[in-house]
Amino acid sequence: KAGVTQTPRYLIKTRGQQVTLSCSPISGHRSVSWYQQTPGQGLQFLFEYFSETQRNKGNFPGRFSGRQFSNSRSEMNVSTLELGDSALYLCASSLVGGLNYGYTFGSGTRLTVV
Amino acid sequence: DQQVKQNSPSLSVQEGRISILNCDYTNSMFDYFLWYKKYPAEGPTFLISISSIKDKNEDGRFTVFLNKSAKHLSLHIVPSQPGDSAVYFCAASEPGGSQGNLIFGKGTKLSVKP
Repeated sequence: KAGVTQTPRYLIKTRGQQVTLSCSPISGHRSVSWYQQTPGQGLQFLFEYFSETQRNKGNFPGRFSGRQFSNSRSEMNVSTLELGDSALYLCASSLVGGLNYGYTFGSGTRLTVV
Repeated sequence: DQQVKQNSPSLSVQEGRISILNCDYTNSMFDYFLWYKKYPAEGPTFLISISSIKDKNEDGRFTVFLNKSAKHLSLHIVPSQPGDSAVYFCAASEPGGSQGNLIFGKGTKLSVKP
């Protein structure tokens, strides 16, 4: 079956712009999480969605937002981009979430802010 | 303040020998720990996990040891193979948490030399 698909793979944006990243989970998976990976901070949790509801949120400013659609696809949006937002953004999906269920990661979207 | 620490950014090991990757944590509330492996240009892949009620979990060449009193866990790979060369992330979860809301270390890059 198809894995977690993230689009686009690469993105270059200018400071002050906004960006929307997309994640299509594995078919049937209802839980989607987003992480930001940077060399300095490693992997940091952004938010988790389950059945269109945000279930958990990490410690990121309000410029970072997300949503999940009825088909479980998810988007995350970053407004007023800053240079420090340059990172690999990873999406992971799971059947229902919870530690007894595995999360599968996508390959990520590499965002560069110039 | 970093709650999950991987103090060795890199580790080099000869093929066939043991690789030991270490991870320390500060939050005594963590009750579930996971290891992920990440190849370049791919998302992290779940490797092995351990609950805080155990002190050891084995899966083939991979064994995770947990020392709760020292707040330390380690991943042993025996024997190491060149295909094991990747970045390894340690992650932890609090009670009631989900795999979608994990706290990751910054990773250790393992190089296995033929």
